[in-house]
Amino acid sequence: DQQVKQNSPSLSVQEGRISILNCDYTNSMFDYFLWYKKYPAEGPTFLISISSIKDKNEDGRFTVFLNKSAKHLSLHIVPSQPGDSAVYFCAASAYFGNEKLTFGTGTRLTIIP
Amino acid sequence: GAVVSQHPSWVICKSGTSVKIECRSLDFQATTMFWYRQFPKQSLMLMATSNEGSKATYEQGVEKDKFLINHASLTLSTLTVTSAHPEDSSFYICSARMDPASNQPQHFGDGTRLSIL
Repeated sequence: DQQVKQNSPSLSVQEGRISILNCDYTNSMFDYFLWYKKYPAEGPTFLISISSIKDKNEDGRFTVFLNKSAKHLSLHIVPSQPGDSAVYFCAASAYFGNEKLTFGTGTRLTIIP
Repeated sequence: GAVVSQHPSWVICKSGTSVKIECRSLDFQATTMFWYRQFPKQSLMLMATSNEGSKATYEQGVEKDKFLINHASLTLSTLTVTSAHPEDSSFYICSARMDPASNQPQHFGDGTRLSIL
């Protein structure tokens, strides 16, 4: 039972344009969401997070949007850069203090120069 | 920033061998560390939560006698895959978290690719 889903296994975006990665979840107990970036043969690197009391969080080129009623979140990267090419995972937990993360299956983002 | 070191990065060994993987938090104390497993093109699946000085908590379906976890200090947790078989071949990743009061997310090691022949 995949509680966190990333339905697009891959995405290609032109350099300079906006990249939008999507994530859906089914467990209504999830209250805190994170995005991680992963290069091959490396561990995930934390990018940005959001708690359910917010609907948007921004950090530089990265913005995460949360639509709690739709159980949907998205990561926007603008402008996209070649170094952004990686696999992106969304993850969720029941609350910030709950350390158990449930990960999505990942989306491979390729930025085309 | 917080750094988590995992060693070794790649292991190839014969079936029946036991393999130990180390996870260290280099610049912070981690009361809790986590062990994940990732199969090709799949998600990271939490295997167990490791608490310093106490027994690990395993997720449903994970054999605790197969995957031995020790968290002897605030900076080191080890995962031992006992009597490894080809089906144990996978990418194992650890993560560590500072004191929850620090408001920091989990930081991951670079993973260990385990190949059992």
